[in-house]
Amino acid sequence: DADVTQTPRNRITKTGKRIMLECSQTKGHDRMYWYRQDPGLGLRLIYYSFDVKDINKGEISDGYSVSRQAQAKFSLSLESAIPNQTALYFCATSDSAGAQDNEQFFGPGTRLTVL
Amino acid sequence: DQQVKQNSPSLSVQEGRISILNCDYTNSMFDYFLWYKKYPAEGPTFLISISSIKDKNEDGRFTVFLNKSAKHLSLHIVPSQPGDSAVYFCAASDASNYKLTFGKGTLLTVNP
Repeated sequence: DADVTQTPRNRITKTGKRIMLECSQTKGHDRMYWYRQDPGLGLRLIYYSFDVKDINKGEISDGYSVSRQAQAKFSLSLESAIPNQTALYFCATSDSAGAQDNEQFFGPGTRLTVL
Repeated sequence: DQQVKQNSPSLSVQEGRISILNCDYTNSMFDYFLWYKKYPAEGPTFLISISSIKDKNEDGRFTVFLNKSAKHLSLHIVPSQPGDSAVYFCAASDASNYKLTFGKGTLLTVNP
């Protein structure tokens, strides 16, 4: 079944460590996004990519970087993790040839804890 | 500045009754509005959307109403079921940049 997968699902790390969260999709979508969810703050966009060679900053990109290795893969890195990056992280995809409402399809999320 | 606002963090209703979730927005450039539902330990899933040129869209038990002059939309769930208990996010789409802007979410609890 076409899907959006994220690895790892849970990760506990220490302040200062480098962390990579990975996202893969089998939907054949060209657009991919990274969001974080914090209690009471909803979903906030970190980075997005409309194509393999296209990377754009979202509203909260400081402290993060991304890599679009292929159309199906979009990784999020925390170069030096800090405790306030503890959150739930979601990857999402959408199809530029899809519905006009820009519906996005989400992965199951990665729960990251930075001690 | 928050462009999409869900002012009620939580809502509790009885099974069989109507649930009404509200959302306000400030950006007149939004062309579509979407509702997502999120269960614990899962990603958000799309529920229903509405174009800014319409005032109502219905899909089974779910209806979304849009009042463009008031910059307000609402999601009605009738009848509410315990399985509807989840966090509901309102989102708005801007055709100029293909991004979604999300509200903070409303936790709906449907009591048996």
